[in-house]
Amino acid sequence: GAVVSQHPSWVICKSGTSVKIECRSLDFQATTMFWYRQFPKQSLMLMATSNEGSKATYEQGVEKDKFLINHASLTLSTLTVTSAHPEDSSFYICSALLHGTVSGYTFGSGTRLTVV
Amino acid sequence: QKEVEQNSGPLSVPEGAIASLNCTYSDRGSQSFFWYRQYSGKSPELIMSIYSNGDKEDGRFTAQLNKASQYVSLLIRDSQPSDSATYLCAVNLRLSDMRFGAGTRLTVKP
Repeated sequence: GAVVSQHPSWVICKSGTSVKIECRSLDFQATTMFWYRQFPKQSLMLMATSNEGSKATYEQGVEKDKFLINHASLTLSTLTVTSAHPEDSSFYICSALLHGTVSGYTFGSGTRLTVV
Repeated sequence: QKEVEQNSGPLSVPEGAIASLNCTYSDRGSQSFFWYRQYSGKSPELIMSIYSNGDKEDGRFTAQLNKASQYVSLLIRDSQPSDSATYLCAVNLRLSDMRFGAGTRLTVKP
């Protein structure tokens, strides 16, 4: 089946630094990928939708200059958290849309970001 | 009104019982409905999808959809401790736009 690989699975960084999270579709081409954030005991919140070769579409309230998304190829999307602060600490999850199926959302394993 | 609403729980059932999880959604144009299971610290995994009114059964899981009432539910029969997790209801407004409920935390007690 479709697999989405997300790395790293966890990262600890200092406040003010940047962190890059990668999301790769391993055996299919993902023209659309989604980035979610989940705080403890809360639901998944869609941050942005990235389409290969074009600018990402950000949800209301998500700072596009802080959360940089690049979807340069059909198999790779990256999320860079710039100038991270402790309040950015969260669980970040990507998912990819597998075209041709209505249930084609495949999730990555998630990245636990802790900013100290 | 939230797009997808769930009772946050926690819902506690004894082992072997039926667990019933409920979800309502606001957009009548929604086409596809999903139930995901999420263990603590892990990403969601799809357990059921349903697209038309009625029941859909898969093993111990049954999804029920009522578009007129904008209601979707998940029944887990013969609940096991390993079923203890947070269950997320998700609704596709469009193919590329999936929205999640806040999740219901289920605990199955041995």
